Amino acid sequence: ERVMTQSPATLSVSPGERATLSCRASQSVSSNLAWYQQKPGQAPRLLIYGASTRATGIAARFSGSGSGTEFTLTISSLQSEDFAVYYCQQYNNWPWTFGQGTKVEIK
Amino acid sequence: EVQLVESGGGLVQPGGSLRLSCAASGFTFSSYWMSWVRQAPGKGLEWVANIKQDGSEKYYVDSVKGRFTISRDNAKNSLYLQMNSLRAEDTAVYYCARVIYDSSGYQGVFDYWGQGTLVTVSS
Repeated sequence: ERVMTQSPATLSVSPGERATLSCRASQSVSSNLAWYQQKPGQAPRLLIYGASTRATGIAARFSGSGSGTEFTLTISSLQSEDFAVYYCQQYNNWPWTFGQGTKVEIK
Repeated sequence: EVQLVESGGGLVQPGGSLRLSCAASGFTFSSYWMSWVRQAPGKGLEWVANIKQDGSEKYYVDSVKGRFTISRDNAKNSLYLQMNSLRAEDTAVYYCARVIYDSSGYQGVFDYWGQGTLVTVSS
C-alpha cells in the first residue's frame, strides 16, 4: 500500500499570501495524484488531478506540481474561501490512498 | 447538474447490518465506475469500494472485504453498499463518488461527491 504523508499538518497563512502544501508518497505514484479541498460539513471537492491539471471550474490560483514521490499544491494568493483542509490522493496503485490532510487556517 | 444523494445511514449495534444507497442524476450513470469513500469523525478520507459500469468488477479495501458488498442498479441510477458485521471502527460519514480517468488514461480521480451519510456503530 502506498502511504501518503502530507506536511505540515496545519498551515497558518494570512489572506493574500502564498500557501505551499506538500505530499509525499512512500513509493513512486508517477503523476497519478489528485488534490481535494474539504470545508467543514461539506464533501471534498476535486481541485487537481494528474498532479498538475486543474479540474473544471477551479481558480487559476491553485496549481499542482511534482511526480514520483514528491508533490506540491500551491495557492498563489489565499482568499477567504480557501481556508479549508486539503487532501492528496494517489491512484497509481491499489488501494487508492489519501494523505491525512493539511489544514490551512487564517493567521 | 451532476448530483449524488446518499441515504440509509444511522445508528446500528456492533455486528449489525445497514444498507446505504446513492441516487445519481445529471449524468449517464451506467457509463461510470462508482466508489464509496468514508471519513471517520475528525479523521481523513479512506476509499472503501469500487464497482465497474456493468457491475462485473468490484474492489474493496482489505478492512471491509467479506463484510461489505457494493452493487448498482443502472436502471434506477443507484449505487448501494451493503454493510454486514459492522464494527465500531466502521463509524464514519460514507460518501458516494463518481470515478473518472485522467488525461493519461489512469482511473481513480473522484470528480463528484455526494453530501455523505453518517453511519454510527455503537451499543
